[in-house]
Amino acid sequence: EAGVVQSPRYKIIEKKQPVAFWCNPISGHNTLYWYRQNLGQGPELLIRYENEEAVDDSQLPKDRFSAERLKGVDSTLKIQPAELGDSAVYLCASSLGAANEQFFGPGTRLTVL
Amino acid sequence: KQEVTQIPAALSVPEGENLVLNCSFTDSAIYNLQWFRQDPGKGLTSLLLIQSSQREQTSGRLNASLDKSSGRSTLYIAASQPGDSATYLCAVDNAGNMLTFGGGTRLMVKP
Repeated sequence: EAGVVQSPRYKIIEKKQPVAFWCNPISGHNTLYWYRQNLGQGPELLIRYENEEAVDDSQLPKDRFSAERLKGVDSTLKIQPAELGDSAVYLCASSLGAANEQFFGPGTRLTVL
Repeated sequence: KQEVTQIPAALSVPEGENLVLNCSFTDSAIYNLQWFRQDPGKGLTSLLLIQSSQREQTSGRLNASLDKSSGRSTLYIAASQPGDSATYLCAVDNAGNMLTFGGGTRLMVKP
């Protein structure tokens, strides 16, 4: 069974440019998460979806970050415009539902120059 | 707000040694605690998940314990191998799959 798929794996952009990340969760997993992991730190939750509904986006910087999960399957996370401090690894995870084990994708490493 | 701390931040041991990684958390009202492994440039791999009602979980050479009242968990790795070299992350679930992660312990096992 395929795991959580993310693309691209690496992205280098200049500040003020837009960027988008894509995530395909494990088939049948209703809950999808986006995390940000800064160098040398643990991941921090940005947003959680139950099907197509964002149920927790309190940590998402809404002035520049947006996310969607239109059909309750794939999800995209967008940053516009990117800032130097956005350089990090963006991880997607999925689970069958709330309180179930989370499975993580390989992440997208973003570098903002 | 839950805070999770992992000690030590980095650890280097010779192959074959038994070792213990520590995790502490400030809010003991947890659903479960999970230990993950992260290899450089890779995502997280779940190692062990301990429900709040459990005291420990074992998988192969790994054993994780949970003392909820004191806000502590340990990950014990027996007979360490170079392939165990990775970053180990502890994560606590306070509200039904709302994970709070520690900063991780970077483990190096030398041949």
